[in-house]
Amino acid sequence: DIVLTQSPALAVSLGQRATISCRASESVRSSVHWYQQKSGQQPKLLIHGASNLVSGVPARFSGSGSGTDFTFTIDPVEADDIATYYCHQSRSDPLTFGSGTKLEIK
Amino acid sequence: QVQLKESGPGPVQPSQTLSLTCTVSGFSLTSFSVHWVRQHSGKRLEWMGRVWSDGKTSYNSVFTSRLSISRDTSKSQVFLKMNSLQTEDTGTYYCARGIFYYHGSPFDYWGQGVMVTVSS
Repeated sequence: DIVLTQSPALAVSLGQRATISCRASESVRSSVHWYQQKSGQQPKLLIHGASNLVSGVPARFSGSGSGTDFTFTIDPVEADDIATYYCHQSRSDPLTFGSGTKLEIK
Repeated sequence: QVQLKESGPGPVQPSQTLSLTCTVSGFSLTSFSVHWVRQHSGKRLEWMGRVWSDGKTSYNSVFTSRLSISRDTSKSQVFLKMNSLQTEDTGTYYCARGIFYYHGSPFDYWGQGVMVTVSS
């Protein structure tokens, strides 16, 4: 199984940049997607194919990377961005998710 | 608009069978895959399996021996059945739509989730 590793938490000041990393245990090409999950809600797709912004999602969210190393960025961070962010690979079964990075505001 | 909605039995006793239904609207099951994903207490998301647009299924090997996914296209419903439930199966169960892109297949719409508690 492909393991996706994320740092568990990140604290950022409002208006600053938040950068979340996701490392895959083997190459997943560009088949990494990013989700936002707010407390008590279902995940919401923000980025697909490593860098493609979903329609309607603010442009302050972005993603990059390929192979095994991926980055998700929020710039600037707003109060509404408090959530846990998950990466997900669809390169091969079983589909897997990172353990999530909880974004907190300083 | 696209919607998915899970429904289930509420509390389940250990060793019993879990039956969940995902009712979809706004799209056809013959055009998109539908997946089941579970989450323990707000923690890591775990992919369970899918039913493809052609009706074929595939499963996470962790569940293969006790999980079954099926569908009824006439009712726009996808079903999950999992037997031999244990307390570790407690969590929130989501159904989600898979959308195909050249660079991968993310889940573009999710249901609100259904909480399943396995307890005697």
